[in-house]
Amino acid sequence: AQSVTQPDIHITVSEGASLELRCNYSYGATPYLFWYVQSPGQGLQLLLKYFSGDTLVQGIKGFEAEFKRSQSSFNLRKPSVHWSDAAEYFCAVATRSNDYKLSFGAGTTVTVRA
Amino acid sequence: KAGVTQTPRYLIKTRGQQVTLSCSPISGHRSVSWYQQTPGQGLQFLFEYFSETQRNKGNFPGRFSGRQFSNSRSEMNVSTLELGDSALYLCASSLAGRGARTDTQYFGPGTRLTVL
Repeated sequence: AQSVTQPDIHITVSEGASLELRCNYSYGATPYLFWYVQSPGQGLQLLLKYFSGDTLVQGIKGFEAEFKRSQSSFNLRKPSVHWSDAAEYFCAVATRSNDYKLSFGAGTTVTVRA
Repeated sequence: KAGVTQTPRYLIKTRGQQVTLSCSPISGHRSVSWYQQTPGQGLQFLFEYFSETQRNKGNFPGRFSGRQFSNSRSEMNVSTLELGDSALYLCASSLAGRGARTDTQYFGPGTRLTVL
């Protein structure tokens, strides 16, 4: 079955420390991969996306993600976290065979401590 | 360019009532998709409209319906509300050229529906 897994429900990180959020997917077709962020009470903001080409993708707010086909992963990273990065992060997958409908992981909540 | 807008932002209804939510896509975007977000089920796809036609549908009962107008604005309707319909309803728009780049979805702030 097609699925998107975010293994970490909640991560706490100190301000200034690095952050890595994991995302694994299970799809037969070539996936298109996205990371969205949601602040409390808000909608989803697109951080970055991967379609093809360079497997290291740069996004907004200093985030980057790396696509690893062999591991079926698309992990999100940020070298130095700011307090404003506290939010919920969602990994999403779309495929051409599924008409580009987004399938989301369960999300990872990031808490930033001073 | 203005983003996706949704109205109203908050709604309180009682069981058995019906509700209509509205979504205005980014200018030039022709596709509108709707998602339901709940703590228990996460983000689930409801349906997608393109050129006033429903193009995709998720696994929701017939109480959930939608439509799209010629200006690409979309509404979704939930009839005979149940307590479990309490959720954040998110709308997303895309160019919908049916290629990965043109199908990137941009989300609105959502409508928080509470059913009492």
